[in-house]
Amino acid sequence: QKEVEQNSGPLSVPEGAIASLNCTYSDRVSQSFFWYRQYSGKSPELIMSIYSNGDKEDGRFTAQLNKASQYVSLLIRDSQPSDSATYLCAVRNFNKFYFGSGTKLNVKP
Amino acid sequence: DAEITQSPRHKITETGRQVTLACHQTWNHNNMFWYRQDLGHGLRLIHYSYGVQDTNKGEVSDGYSVSRSNTEDLPLTLESAASSQTSVYFCASSDTSGGETQYFGPGTRLLVL
Repeated sequence: QKEVEQNSGPLSVPEGAIASLNCTYSDRVSQSFFWYRQYSGKSPELIMSIYSNGDKEDGRFTAQLNKASQYVSLLIRDSQPSDSATYLCAVRNFNKFYFGSGTKLNVKP
Repeated sequence: DAEITQSPRHKITETGRQVTLACHQTWNHNNMFWYRQDLGHGLRLIHYSYGVQDTNKGEVSDGYSVSRSNTEDLPLTLESAASSQTSVYFCASSDTSGGETQYFGPGTRLLVL
């Protein structure tokens, strides 16, 4: 079983819609949770981090964490074509980071 | 501005050769990491270091080694390159305090023929 699981997609949404990305993790002791965005041929860049149950909002992005169910989600409101990228979910377990294989998001104009 | 750089950005080598990928960061971070990224596998941790003279194995460390002689650099060596090591390699660093955000280098594309 992988530490972090994501649907590989692609997830296609029209411009202006809400994109919902999901991630599950296997280790209950995981402490911190992250979403990275990676454009094709580029390195990952952090867009959100979340540490406690509930929602965390930053602009058009909302991260949601449910430790009991061991899932993390990312909502992107008012999706733009520039949001088209692969989104990586990452989990920190003490000083190690585990990454999912990523979900490819396509936002269609 | 602080940054993390990798060199070379592209490398072609032959099986059996020793290859070293460089990683240099000016963030003054204690923690440094090497990952490889392959289709369908996401980022997998190869080796990591929490400070000078400290190195640790990650989940895919076989065939790789690292050394940490100063804060800024963590070179990754492929002892005897294999075709299975064809991949994109990313170096990352993070601060000790909290250590939450990893900053990634631009990556090195390695092709082993």
